[in-house]
Amino acid sequence: NAGVTQTPKFQVLKTGQSMTLQCAQDMNHEYMSWYRQDPGMGLRLIHYSVGAGITDQGEVPNGYNVSRSTTEDFPLRLLSAAPSQTSVYFCASRRLEIEKLFFGSGTQLSVL
Amino acid sequence: TQLLEQSPQFLSIQEGENLTVYCNSSSVFSSLQWYRQEPGEGPVLLVTVVTGGEVKKLKRLTFQFGDARKDSSLHITAAQPGDTGLYLCAGLEGGSNYKLTFGKGTLLTVNP
Repeated sequence: NAGVTQTPKFQVLKTGQSMTLQCAQDMNHEYMSWYRQDPGMGLRLIHYSVGAGITDQGEVPNGYNVSRSTTEDFPLRLLSAAPSQTSVYFCASRRLEIEKLFFGSGTQLSVL
Repeated sequence: TQLLEQSPQFLSIQEGENLTVYCNSSSVFSSLQWYRQEPGEGPVLLVTVVTGGEVKKLKRLTFQFGDARKDSSLHITAAQPGDTGLYLCAGLEGGSNYKLTFGKGTLLTVNP
């Protein structure tokens, strides 16, 4: 099993550009989530999903969109990138009945 | 959002020393998790503590959940360079099974 796979590993954007961070898991996990990690701020929840067709907001959802059309995939979309969105983004998944989160290896995003 | 305060923020010690990392909150958590994160990777779950007063051991690591389920500690005995990393505590927000809140982490460096 590959676990949680994130692409790309690194990305540089210009202010105003859009892009999609990809996340896929092969563990049949119902729950998937996106976090951003910033120095001194820890990990903050952006959006999460408890199953296909179901998404909800976390602590810092503004500027980000998500959708969950399949159990395996949970893409994160930045519609108009801003420098404040420069961060490392982590996708994580788990079974609904088990609290253990499995994380991907992250996407380092820089917005100039 | 319930806050988890971790201390110390940074810790640099010599190989063989003991250390304790703390995770405190004013809120009650149904459970607390400890993760370890290495550079360029996502966090990996070390342990989940559920019962107030619970103590769990993982080789040289000892985890304790406070009696009131508001705090937790991680004690490492005879630290080794391989223990170097970012240690994060995390807890589910009250009443939610889906929003995992993270502390800001303790960056541990163990020097040979």
